[in-house]
Amino acid sequence: SQQGEEDPQALSIQEGENATMNCSYKTSINNLQWYRQNSGRGLVHLILIRSNEREKHSGRLRVTLDTSKKSSSLLITASRAADTASYFCATVRTGGGNKLTFGTGTQLKVEL
Amino acid sequence: GAGVSQSPSNKVTEKGKDVELRCDPISGHTALYWYRQSLGQGLEFLIYFQGNSAPDKSGLPSDRFSAERTGGSVSTLTIQRTQQEDSAVYLCASSFQGDAGTDTQYFGPGTRLTVL
Repeated sequence: SQQGEEDPQALSIQEGENATMNCSYKTSINNLQWYRQNSGRGLVHLILIRSNEREKHSGRLRVTLDTSKKSSSLLITASRAADTASYFCATVRTGGGNKLTFGTGTQLKVEL
Repeated sequence: GAGVSQSPSNKVTEKGKDVELRCDPISGHTALYWYRQSLGQGLEFLIYFQGNSAPDKSGLPSDRFSAERTGGSVSTLTIQRTQQEDSAVYLCASSFQGDAGTDTQYFGPGTRLTVL
């Protein structure tokens, strides 16, 4: 079952603009991760944020986590056409082992 | 080093036939996971192996689905008497130690299964 929702479902921006995607989840978590998927196949891990962290950066990516609101956001700065992909958040639930529970995903399109 | 590999990349089968999907995890990774992605259900967990522990089978949708991991490495997901609703992309992932707080899962390219 899906852990929660992501919004927007689809996002279209111009190259150079920033893209923000949001993720909500329902249960207590150990960590939250963001993945990118191109062409409906393999998932590429982008960033992991632990439940005791509030913000994390990796290159052009910035992730925030608000456990009180059970939500996270992924910001991609200075977007490029190559960032066009689907983005998924995934959570590792507390006491649930290490299996990932995925959100519904955001389809990002970056236009030249 | 090599990433997670899966075979076949595409599989077309007839309803009622059995299929086997293979996953080769990253060498040295003790944890291995199967997920599937379908239009109706999104990305969902199927089964998880961690070292010599009993697998977590809580995500398997029916008893037609089974998986094994031989020698702590290669895994095979078997679907018996396939149904059209089994059509999906089956994704395998592996991680170093299955630590729930910090472990990163690395995904293979997936097997696209089509049941006619």
